[in-house]
Amino acid sequence: ETGVTQTPRHLVMGMTNKKSLKCEQHLGHNAMYWYKQSAKKPLELMFVYSLEERVENNSVPSRFSPECPNSSHLFLHLHTLQPEDSALYLCASSQDPGGNLGYGYTFGSGTRLTVV
Amino acid sequence: QKEVEQNSGPLSVPEGAIASLNCTYSDRGSQSFFWYRQYSGKSPELIMSIYSNGDKEDGRFTAQLNKASQYVSLLIRDSQPSDSATYLCAVGGFKTIFGAGTRLFVKA
Repeated sequence: ETGVTQTPRHLVMGMTNKKSLKCEQHLGHNAMYWYKQSAKKPLELMFVYSLEERVENNSVPSRFSPECPNSSHLFLHLHTLQPEDSALYLCASSQDPGGNLGYGYTFGSGTRLTVV
Repeated sequence: QKEVEQNSGPLSVPEGAIASLNCTYSDRGSQSFFWYRQYSGKSPELIMSIYSNGDKEDGRFTAQLNKASQYVSLLIRDSQPSDSATYLCAVGGFKTIFGAGTRLFVKA
């Protein structure tokens, strides 16, 4: 495996379910991110982990819970979601947590989430 | 609230033409700027980064930055149908902020 791998690719869940999204990066990067992408809207930053510590929680509802057990793995735990949470959830990694060195992000393929 | 603005398009250009994509940003202290390409149903991929005023060229792509005007642009020379995608402008920093993207169609 190379790059950033996300599983599952597609997920349909009911509002009372609990599920988890998984992200793994094979690039040796030291920062990982969760973004939400909804139709016609900019990517919304949800969480930032730098060196395994959460350093940003961008006013995300508590029904989304991130976990970063090590620098290569990132999870997003989901529970009691709402239909408006249906979106593409993207994981990204970077070797430049400060974001000013010009390296940018490597994104995973995303998880298309549908809440019914 | 930091913002990145892009024209949503679609921008339609004939094959072989120059496509010009524009972006403005609100945070005057921003230091690094990125262009990502996103094909339909795919995730964004980084195509250019720039952090100094002026032009930066990479193959058919040229990024232009004017910090005084808070303006970033991407030129695609000799546009190809395979360039048809949504182009996302992003402003770096600890929390990279993305624009909503401009859809580009290159007509064969």
